[in-house]
Amino acid sequence: GAVVSQHPSWVICKSGTSVKIECRSLDFQATTMFWYRQFPKQSLMLMATSNEGSKATYEQGVEKDKFLINHASLTLSTLTVTSAHPEDSSFYICSAPHTNTGELFFGEGSRLTVL
Amino acid sequence: SQQGEEDPQALSIQEGENATMNCSYKTSINNLQWYRQNSGRGLVHLILIRSNEREKHSGRLRVTLDTSKKSSSLLITASRAADTASYFCATAFDFTGNQFYFGTGTSLTVIP
Repeated sequence: GAVVSQHPSWVICKSGTSVKIECRSLDFQATTMFWYRQFPKQSLMLMATSNEGSKATYEQGVEKDKFLINHASLTLSTLTVTSAHPEDSSFYICSAPHTNTGELFFGEGSRLTVL
Repeated sequence: SQQGEEDPQALSIQEGENATMNCSYKTSINNLQWYRQNSGRGLVHLILIRSNEREKHSGRLRVTLDTSKKSSSLLITASRAADTASYFCATAFDFTGNQFYFGTGTSLTVIP
């Protein structure tokens, strides 16, 4: 079946640094990808929709300058957390929809810990 | 918000018993999907039910959808310890993935 790969799976960084998370669709093309944030024991909250070749669409309350999204190709979207702070520590998950079936395929998630 | 509500929030059962989780949502949908998440991992798609369908089966899973009540249920029969996970419903307005909202989730624990 379709696979979405996310990297890195776990990253620890110092406060003030920037961290890039990659999301790749391995065997299908994805013109759209989605980025979610999940706090412990909570549900997924959609942060933004990544569109290949155009600007990302951010959900209300999500700072676009803080969470930079680049969808450079039909198989790769990146989320960069800029000037990370401890409150940005979270589990970030990407997904890509299979447009024929409507099924969303999820990456394994990236756990960010900001010290 | 469109985010769905699920109940119960937590469910603990003995192995072999059936587990039922419910999901309610607020507006009209195109389809509803159920996902499973093991602790600290990504989500795994379980089943999709379209708005014109009322019931769907997949292995030990049975999903129902009542669009008049804006609710869905997920039944796991003959539960196993390996079914221990969080289960989320997600509603979508179309197949592009736009406006794809997750419910609050049910944490299921199956005791061996």
